[in-house]
Amino acid sequence: GAGVSQSPSNKVTEKGKDVELRCDPISGHTALYWYRQSLGQGLEFLIYFQGNSAPDKSGLPSDRFSAERTGGSVSTLTIQRTQQEDSAVYLCASSPRGAQGGREQYFGPGTRLTVT
Amino acid sequence: DAKTTQPPSMDCAEGRAANLPCNHSTISGNEYVYWYRQIHSQGPQYIIHGLKNNETNEMASLIITEDRKSSTLILPHATLRDTAVYYCIGIGPNTGNQFYFGTGTSLTVIP
Repeated sequence: GAGVSQSPSNKVTEKGKDVELRCDPISGHTALYWYRQSLGQGLEFLIYFQGNSAPDKSGLPSDRFSAERTGGSVSTLTIQRTQQEDSAVYLCASSPRGAQGGREQYFGPGTRLTVT
Repeated sequence: DAKTTQPPSMDCAEGRAANLPCNHSTISGNEYVYWYRQIHSQGPQYIIHGLKNNETNEMASLIITEDRKSSTLILPHATLRDTAVYYCIGIGPNTGNQFYFGTGTSLTVIP
Protein backbone atom coordinates (compact mmCIF):
# COMPACT_ATOMS: atom_id res chain seq x y z
CA GLY A 1 0.00 0.00 0.00
CA ALA A 2 0.92 3.66 -0.06
CA GLY A 3 3.57 4.70 2.38
CA VAL A 4 4.23 8.03 4.04
CA SER A 5 4.72 10.78 1.51
CA GLN A 6 6.31 14.17 1.99
CA SER A 7 6.48 17.26 -0.16
CA PRO A 8 8.42 18.95 -1.46
CA SER A 9 11.34 16.56 -1.68
CA ASN A 10 13.75 19.48 -1.85
CA LYS A 11 13.32 23.08 -0.83
CA VAL A 12 15.83 25.89 -1.19
CA THR A 13 14.87 29.13 0.49
CA GLU A 14 16.46 32.41 1.42
CA LYS A 15 17.23 33.24 5.00
CA GLY A 16 14.28 34.98 6.62
CA LYS A 17 11.60 33.40 4.46
CA ASP A 18 8.87 31.11 5.78
CA VAL A 19 8.52 27.52 4.57
CA GLU A 20 5.84 24.86 4.83
CA LEU A 21 6.58 21.16 4.68
CA ARG A 22 3.83 18.64 4.16
CA CYS A 23 3.39 15.08 5.35
CA ASP A 24 0.74 12.58 4.25
CA PRO A 25 0.77 9.67 6.70
CA ILE A 26 -0.32 6.13 6.03
CA SER A 27 -4.11 5.96 6.05
CA GLY A 28 -5.47 4.88 9.42
CA HIS A 29 -2.31 5.63 11.38
CA THR A 30 -3.21 7.62 14.46
CA ALA A 31 0.26 8.80 15.44
CA LEU A 32 2.46 11.17 13.47
CA TYR A 33 5.99 12.34 14.23
CA TRP A 34 8.25 15.01 12.81
CA TYR A 35 12.04 14.72 13.08
CA ARG A 36 14.95 16.52 11.53
CA GLN A 37 18.35 15.19 10.65
CA SER A 38 21.34 17.36 9.97
CA LEU A 39 24.13 16.05 7.77
CA GLY A 40 25.92 13.18 9.48
CA GLN A 41 23.85 13.52 12.62
CA GLY A 42 21.19 11.45 14.33
CA LEU A 43 17.46 12.01 14.33
CA GLU A 44 16.19 14.96 16.36
CA PHE A 45 12.59 14.67 17.56
CA LEU A 46 10.47 17.73 16.88
CA ILE A 47 6.79 17.06 17.53
CA TYR A 48 4.30 14.20 17.99
CA PHE A 49 0.58 14.00 17.24
CA GLN A 50 -1.65 11.24 18.60
CA GLY A 51 -5.29 11.21 17.57
CA ASN A 52 -7.17 14.20 18.93
CA SER A 53 -4.83 14.69 21.89
CA ALA A 54 -2.78 17.83 22.33
CA PRO A 55 0.50 17.42 20.44
CA ASP A 56 3.80 16.89 22.20
CA LYS A 57 5.78 19.92 21.12
CA SER A 58 8.68 19.38 23.48
CA GLY A 59 11.20 18.90 20.68
CA LEU A 60 10.54 22.08 18.74
CA PRO A 61 13.78 24.08 18.87
CA SER A 62 12.22 27.56 18.87
CA ASP A 63 8.94 29.39 18.49
CA ARG A 64 9.72 29.82 14.79
CA PHE A 65 8.69 26.18 14.40
CA SER A 66 5.07 25.07 14.47
CA ALA A 67 3.05 22.18 13.16
CA GLU A 68 -0.53 21.21 12.74
CA ARG A 69 -2.40 18.12 11.78
CA THR A 70 -5.74 18.62 10.14
CA GLY A 71 -8.50 16.06 10.42
CA GLY A 72 -6.15 13.59 12.03
CA SER A 73 -4.38 13.02 8.74
CA VAL A 74 -2.19 15.45 6.79
CA SER A 75 0.36 17.44 8.78
CA THR A 76 2.19 20.64 7.95
CA LEU A 77 5.41 21.76 9.59
CA THR A 78 5.98 25.51 9.30
CA ILE A 79 9.28 27.25 9.87
CA GLN A 80 9.09 31.03 10.06
CA ARG A 81 11.97 33.40 9.38
CA THR A 82 14.27 30.54 8.38
CA GLN A 83 17.88 30.56 9.49
CA GLN A 84 20.84 28.76 7.97
CA GLU A 85 20.99 26.39 10.94
CA ASP A 86 17.52 25.16 9.95
CA SER A 87 19.07 23.44 6.93
CA ALA A 88 18.47 19.72 7.38
CA VAL A 89 16.37 16.82 6.17
CA TYR A 90 12.93 16.95 7.77
CA LEU A 91 11.41 13.51 8.24
CA CYS A 92 7.85 12.57 8.98
CA ALA A 93 6.76 9.20 10.34
CA SER A 94 3.41 7.65 11.14
CA SER A 95 2.59 4.81 13.49
CA PRO A 96 -0.48 2.58 13.61
CA ARG A 97 -1.30 2.66 17.28
CA GLY A 98 0.65 5.46 18.88
CA ALA A 99 1.55 5.64 22.53
CA GLN A 100 -0.36 2.70 23.95
CA GLY A 101 0.25 0.09 21.35
CA GLY A 102 2.62 -0.71 18.54
CA ARG A 103 5.35 1.85 18.25
CA GLU A 104 6.73 0.92 14.85
CA GLN A 105 7.15 4.05 12.81
CA TYR A 106 7.03 4.23 9.06
CA PHE A 107 9.09 7.08 7.70
CA GLY A 108 8.62 9.21 4.64
CA PRO A 109 11.46 10.04 2.25
CA GLY A 110 12.01 13.42 3.88
CA THR A 111 12.25 17.01 2.70
CA ARG A 112 15.75 18.37 2.26
CA LEU A 113 15.65 22.02 3.31
CA THR A 114 18.51 24.32 2.37
CA VAL A 115 18.51 27.86 3.69
CA THR A 116 20.86 30.16 1.79
CA ASP B 1 14.11 3.47 28.75
CA ALA B 2 16.63 0.77 27.99
CA LYS B 3 20.08 1.96 27.02
CA THR B 4 21.29 -0.06 24.06
CA THR B 5 24.86 -0.72 22.98
CA GLN B 6 25.83 -1.71 19.46
CA PRO B 7 29.19 -2.12 17.71
CA PRO B 8 29.91 0.94 15.58
CA SER B 9 30.57 -0.97 12.38
CA MET B 10 30.52 -4.41 10.79
CA ASP B 11 31.27 -5.96 7.41
CA CYS B 12 29.48 -8.88 5.82
CA ALA B 13 30.09 -10.71 2.56
CA GLU B 14 27.28 -10.57 0.04
CA GLY B 15 25.06 -13.63 0.24
CA ARG B 16 26.13 -14.50 3.76
CA ALA B 17 24.11 -13.98 6.91
CA ALA B 18 24.62 -10.69 8.70
CA ASN B 19 24.31 -10.99 12.47
CA LEU B 20 23.99 -7.64 14.21
CA PRO B 21 24.23 -7.70 18.02
CA CYS B 22 22.64 -5.36 20.51
CA ASN B 23 23.12 -5.25 24.28
CA HIS B 24 20.20 -3.94 26.33
CA SER B 25 20.99 -5.14 29.83
CA THR B 26 18.76 -2.52 31.49
CA ILE B 27 15.67 -3.34 29.47
CA SER B 28 12.52 -3.58 31.58
CA GLY B 29 10.02 -6.39 31.37
CA ASN B 30 7.51 -4.48 29.28
CA GLU B 31 9.90 -2.90 26.82
CA TYR B 32 10.05 -4.22 23.30
CA VAL B 33 13.24 -4.37 21.26
CA TYR B 34 12.80 -2.53 17.97
CA TRP B 35 15.16 -2.55 15.01
CA TYR B 36 15.32 0.11 12.32
CA ARG B 37 17.81 0.83 9.57
CA GLN B 38 18.73 3.91 7.60
CA ILE B 39 20.15 3.62 4.14
CA HIS B 40 22.21 6.59 3.06
CA SER B 41 20.09 9.60 2.08
CA GLN B 42 16.83 7.85 2.94
CA GLY B 43 14.46 7.96 5.90
CA PRO B 44 14.76 5.24 8.56
CA GLN B 45 12.99 1.97 7.84
CA TYR B 46 11.25 -0.18 10.43
CA ILE B 47 12.53 -3.77 10.33
CA ILE B 48 11.16 -5.84 13.19
CA HIS B 49 10.38 -5.84 16.89
CA GLY B 50 9.93 -8.38 19.67
CA LEU B 51 9.41 -8.79 23.39
CA LYS B 52 10.75 -12.16 24.43
CA ASN B 53 10.06 -14.64 21.67
CA ASN B 54 12.11 -14.84 18.51
CA GLU B 55 10.46 -13.12 15.59
CA THR B 56 10.77 -13.45 11.83
CA ASN B 57 9.37 -11.47 8.97
CA GLU B 58 10.16 -11.01 5.31
CA MET B 59 13.09 -8.76 6.09
CA ALA B 60 14.88 -10.33 9.02
CA SER B 61 14.86 -12.51 12.09
CA LEU B 62 15.20 -11.28 15.66
CA ILE B 63 16.72 -13.52 18.29
CA ILE B 64 16.27 -12.36 21.89
CA THR B 65 18.19 -14.07 24.68
CA GLU B 66 16.20 -15.71 27.44
CA ASP B 67 17.30 -13.09 29.97
CA ARG B 68 16.43 -10.37 27.44
CA LYS B 69 19.72 -8.60 28.03
CA SER B 70 20.74 -8.84 24.40
CA SER B 71 19.41 -9.59 20.96
CA THR B 72 20.66 -10.28 17.45
CA LEU B 73 19.18 -9.11 14.19
CA ILE B 74 19.81 -11.59 11.40
CA LEU B 75 19.69 -10.73 7.72
CA PRO B 76 19.81 -14.27 6.29
CA HIS B 77 21.27 -13.47 2.87
CA ALA B 78 22.79 -10.01 2.88
CA THR B 79 22.73 -8.03 -0.35
CA LEU B 80 24.52 -4.83 -1.29
CA ARG B 81 21.26 -2.98 -0.70
CA ASP B 82 21.39 -3.98 2.96
CA THR B 83 24.34 -1.63 3.50
CA ALA B 84 22.95 0.80 6.07
CA VAL B 85 23.10 1.96 9.66
CA TYR B 86 21.10 -0.38 11.90
CA TYR B 87 19.54 0.88 15.12
CA CYS B 88 18.37 -1.15 18.11
CA ILE B 89 15.94 0.63 20.46
CA GLY B 90 14.08 -0.40 23.61
CA ILE B 91 10.52 0.95 23.66
CA GLY B 92 7.77 0.31 26.16
CA PRO B 93 4.51 1.78 27.48
CA ASN B 94 6.44 4.28 29.58
CA THR B 95 8.70 5.39 26.77
CA GLY B 96 8.11 8.99 25.87
CA ASN B 97 7.59 10.22 22.37
CA GLN B 98 11.25 11.05 21.83
CA PHE B 99 12.85 7.84 20.66
CA TYR B 100 16.62 7.96 20.94
CA PHE B 101 18.01 6.13 17.94
CA GLY B 102 21.62 6.28 19.10
CA THR B 103 24.56 5.81 16.76
CA GLY B 104 23.72 2.29 15.59
CA THR B 105 25.88 -0.17 13.66
CA SER B 106 27.08 0.76 10.20
CA LEU B 107 26.83 -2.46 8.19
CA THR B 108 28.77 -2.69 4.94
CA VAL B 109 27.94 -5.59 2.65
CA ILE B 110 30.96 -6.43 0.56
CA PRO B 111 30.61 -7.91 -2.94
